[in-house]
Amino acid sequence: DVKVTQSSRYLVKRTGEKVFLECVQDMDHENMFWYRQDPGLGLRLIYFSYDVKMKEKGDIPEGYSVSREKKERFSLILESASTNQTSMYLCASRGALDTEAFFGQGTRLTVV
Amino acid sequence: GDSVTQMEGPVTLSEEAFLTINCTYTATGYPSLFWYVQYPGEGLQLLLKATKADDKGSNKGFEATYRKETTSFHLEKGSVQVSDSAVYFCALNKNYGQNFVFGPGTRLSVLP
Repeated sequence: DVKVTQSSRYLVKRTGEKVFLECVQDMDHENMFWYRQDPGLGLRLIYFSYDVKMKEKGDIPEGYSVSREKKERFSLILESASTNQTSMYLCASRGALDTEAFFGQGTRLTVV
Repeated sequence: GDSVTQMEGPVTLSEEAFLTINCTYTATGYPSLFWYVQYPGEGLQLLLKATKADDKGSNKGFEATYRKETTSFHLEKGSVQVSDSAVYFCALNKNYGQNFVFGPGTRLSVLP
């Protein structure tokens, strides 16, 4: 089975902190995604990556950056956390020839 | 742009009731269609998919048929269980594209 693992289930950070959310997949997938999930807004794409060191902005990239130094790992970085970044963050991966995406368990981030 | 519309929740049913969650989409070309399920506190799991018109996806008693003429992919189950309580997301992806388009999600609560 494909496994997408996010490093933390719950995080509490202070305003202004630099925050790293890590995601690792074990299926050699080319594509990896970071989504944010908020009540009433569904899933919104923050960034995606289609190869090592390659990245593309999604719908809501402001306040975020990403890093993909190795194929299996895709990191989401909040340069200076703010309270409006309190949310559930979901990582996903998909192989080039797959139709479906596989999701991690999610990280619930609270910025205080 | 591409979009997915789902019926608004929450949907509350008694155990063994019939379930329908409506999903319609707007997209050019021939997207693949998906239903994902999110149990409380978890990430998204693929429930079923269909990759071309008239395909029927099925899993765990759930079914959905890809109807190109009505641009719909309604989710059905003949007899729901308490354990089916979750949020259900309809989604599309085009031509192995980089991004998925998700509906807003429908929360289902099944009462014993």
